[in-house]
Amino acid sequence: AQKVTQAQTEISVVEKEDVTLDCVYETRDTTYYLFWYKQPPSGELVFLIRRNSFDEQNEISGRYSWNFQKSTSSFNFTITASQVVDSAVYFCALILTGGGNKLTFGTGTQLKVEL
Amino acid sequence: GAGVSQSPRYKVAKRGQDVALRCDPISGHVSLFWYQQALGQGPEFLTYFQNEAQLDKSGLPSDRFFAERPEGSVSTLKIQRTQQEDSAVYLCASSLEGGSHYGYTFGSGTRLTVV
Repeated sequence: AQKVTQAQTEISVVEKEDVTLDCVYETRDTTYYLFWYKQPPSGELVFLIRRNSFDEQNEISGRYSWNFQKSTSSFNFTITASQVVDSAVYFCALILTGGGNKLTFGTGTQLKVEL
Repeated sequence: GAGVSQSPRYKVAKRGQDVALRCDPISGHVSLFWYQQALGQGPEFLTYFQNEAQLDKSGLPSDRFFAERPEGSVSTLKIQRTQQEDSAVYLCASSLEGGSHYGYTFGSGTRLTVV
């Protein structure tokens, strides 16, 4: 069975600080996808990134960057120069590509960005 | 439509009452998923449809939960004889195909409160 762990329940930062959200996953499969979703107070899950298990290249998108390390089974998410609008719950998730269509989510990290 | 639409947005049910939650996926999306999100937790898989076929219902917590998608578009999640532990946000997601390659689009969810 798959498992995703987000050990940080809640993080508070002041605007313009950098913040890293941790994600550690467990799976015996070698082919899978990892995701990050943002859940603002309105409730919908907003897709941020999908990463294939074969692609360990780090990715940057504006103020967002992701560090995927298979050796430590981690897929961490960094927000640079955080803004109040970044305040939300962030979920890391995993899905196997070899069959099945279930996303396995972590318990989420509540990020609060204050002025 | 442009996104996944769920209704009602909020539902309060008395214990023992039956409820029906509706999901309108993105037009043309073959796959449809239901997830249950308890307070402070990540979403958990309930069931999966490909067109009108329910291919996986392993996540449904009891036989009080029933989902259908008779014409391969709109889906309804029905909960019979609701219990307090059914209180949660019910999220619907749709995908062009299986999901792992194309990603999911989530709706804003239905918040069910059983009193």
